[in-house]
Amino acid sequence: GEDVEQSLFLSVREGDSSVINCTYTDSSSTYLYWYKQEPGAGLQLLTYIFSNMDMKQDQRLTVLLNKKDKHLSLRIADTQTGDSAIYFCAEIPGNTGFQKLVFGTGTRLLVSP
Amino acid sequence: DTAVSQTPKYLVTQMGNDKSIKCEQNLGHDTMYWYKQDSKKFLKIMFSYNNKELIINETVPNRFSPKSPDKAHLNLHINSLELGDSAVYFCASSQDAVRTEAFFGQGTRLTVV
Repeated sequence: GEDVEQSLFLSVREGDSSVINCTYTDSSSTYLYWYKQEPGAGLQLLTYIFSNMDMKQDQRLTVLLNKKDKHLSLRIADTQTGDSAIYFCAEIPGNTGFQKLVFGTGTRLLVSP
Repeated sequence: DTAVSQTPKYLVTQMGNDKSIKCEQNLGHDTMYWYKQDSKKFLKIMFSYNNKELIINETVPNRFSPKSPDKAHLNLHINSLELGDSAVYFCASSQDAVRTEAFFGQGTRLTVV
C-alpha cells in the first residue's frame, strides 16, 4: 500500500527539541522528504534523505532513517515559535517509474513560548 | 520572483460552474504537478506532466482536465463543480520526472457553495 503514517499533533516549549515521526510502507522508496506547511501557505521543502543513508544533519534539523522498520524521523533542535506548522513526510515509491510524492498525514507542531 | 505561482489564490463558486486554476513556473523545470489537499490536510497527487505530456493521472474524475500549453505552464480546468471539490489545490514543479525534489506553489483554496 501507499499509506504513510504520522502522529497528528506535537506540542513543545520554545527551546526544547521536537521529534516528528513517520512510518512508511514502501521498502523500495529511494527518497524520503520532509515538507513544512505554515498556515495559509504552500509546502516548503525542508530536507530529504536518500535511502542508503541512516542520518542527515542540516543546521537545526536531523533526519534519521531506519530502513528495517521503515521509520523516518525529523528532529528540530532548539525549537522556535516560528517552527509552528504542519510537517509532512513524503516518499517516492520505488515502483512508480515517475516521481509521485506520497505524503504522510501530517503532524501539527505547536511551539509555545 | 516567485518560483511557482498559481492564480487565483482564492476561488469561491457555485455548484455546477466551470472554473480554471492557472500555474506557472520560472525554474526551467521539465515536470509539473497538481496536488489536492482536503479539509483534513491530506495531500494527494492528481496529475503530472513532463515536457507537456501527461505522465500521471491518478483516478481523478474526468471533470478535471489539466492542460499544459508549454512546459512552464500547467492549468487545471474543472467542469460541473461539486461540493466535494472544495479543497486547496497545489501546483508543483521539479527538474525532471524521476526523483528530484518538487517545489510547490502557494495553493488555490477552492470553495464550492
